[in-house]
Amino acid sequence: EAGVTQFPSHSVIEKGQTVTLRCDPISGHDNLYWYRRVMGKEIKFLLHFVKESKQDESGMPNNRFLAERTGGTYSTLKVQPAELEDSGVYFCASSLNGNIQYFGAGTRLSVL
Amino acid sequence: AQRVTQPEKLLSVFKGAPVELKCNYSYSGSPELFWYVQYSRQRLQLLLRHISRESIKGFTADLNKGETSFHLKKPFAQEEDSAMYYCALSLTGFQKLVFGTGTRLLVSP
Repeated sequence: EAGVTQFPSHSVIEKGQTVTLRCDPISGHDNLYWYRRVMGKEIKFLLHFVKESKQDESGMPNNRFLAERTGGTYSTLKVQPAELEDSGVYFCASSLNGNIQYFGAGTRLSVL
Repeated sequence: AQRVTQPEKLLSVFKGAPVELKCNYSYSGSPELFWYVQYSRQRLQLLLRHISRESIKGFTADLNKGETSFHLKKPFAQEEDSAMYYCALSLTGFQKLVFGTGTRLLVSP
């Protein structure tokens, strides 16, 4: 079966621009999670969807970040406007029943 | 606050040597503990979880609630074990993972 896929693999943008990251979970997985790793720091949780509903968005850093999961399938994470400190690797994960999370390869975001 | 501590950024050993990657956590409840691994140019993947009590690729980890530790061990390291290892916990009633900063294991021939 196909794993969690993320697009793009790498994005380079200038400060102030908008970027949208996409995550396609494993088919049938209702749970979808976003994490990010900022340079030199640990991987941190951003938010958790159950189908199309936000179950936990306690990790979203500020209102420049907007996550959606319309229809309960793929999800997007939009950063608008991007700041330098948003640079890092954004991971998406999905799980069937909330036990084991399967991760995507990540999107490396570079804000210049 | 919940926290996972991996004190070593880099652990370098020779092939055949024993390996122990340390992980300590702070959480007042009953967490579920995991070890994730990321090999070069590959995605993060689950190595093992404490409730399974299984050995994967020769690795084992025992949850010690008294010491709040979940150290990862392997008696004889192999070159293909070289990777980044992350300890993580999930909280009772929640599904989000709290990660440590990771330990890079380098196994030399």
